[in-house]
Amino acid sequence: EIVLTQSPGTLSLSPGERATLSCRASQSVSSSYLAWYQQKPGQAPRLLIYGASSRATGIPDRFSGSGSGTDFTLTISRLEPEDFAVYYCQQYGSSSFGQGTKVEIK
Amino acid sequence: QLQLQESGPGLVKPSETLSLTCTVSGGSISSSSYYWGWIRQPPGKGLEWIGSIYYSGSTYYNPSLKSRVTISVDTSKNQFSLKLSSVTAADTAVYYCARREQQLVYAFDIWGQGTMVTVSS
Repeated sequence: EIVLTQSPGTLSLSPGERATLSCRASQSVSSSYLAWYQQKPGQAPRLLIYGASSRATGIPDRFSGSGSGTDFTLTISRLEPEDFAVYYCQQYGSSSFGQGTKVEIK
Repeated sequence: QLQLQESGPGLVKPSETLSLTCTVSGGSISSSSYYWGWIRQPPGKGLEWIGSIYYSGSTYYNPSLKSRVTISVDTSKNQFSLKLSSVTAADTAVYYCARREQQLVYAFDIWGQGTMVTVSS
């Protein structure tokens, strides 16, 4: 089973700053099969990125994904107030999720 | 537009079986493009995939839960269901149903709002 490890656990940033979130897999993952989700308190997760780098419908272009093999990154170029949330990566093969990164207001 | 809605008891006693249903509206569950899944989230914790089913009835489960999980589909009702047996307090969580796209996205692209299930006597 592929294990996804996200870092950092918490990221404290100010609005307007750049956020860089990491997702590392215990073995190589096809880029086609790596997704990122955003979850706000009391809400269901929302798909942000699929195929490691493709934005889902309606997702602003300040969100971008990159990476291959075992190392993947979600970047939020300039944080908006609504971007403070928890972010999860997921890989398709075993459908496992990472443990999440919380982006909080500094 | 497609919507998913979870339903079922919010309180289950320890050792009993948790049963939830997800109703799909605005589209057909019988599409070759999708799997349908269950994901849960204990209070204050992360997401855990439980299992997924195809409209034909083909299933696959999280190995850590496989011995206790059954997922089934009723295409006539456009529903799929989850049964989790021998529950304990550790199964207390928000349970989500979701659609997994299988041809391009390979991710859960539409989610239900979630339903809280508490295991307690």
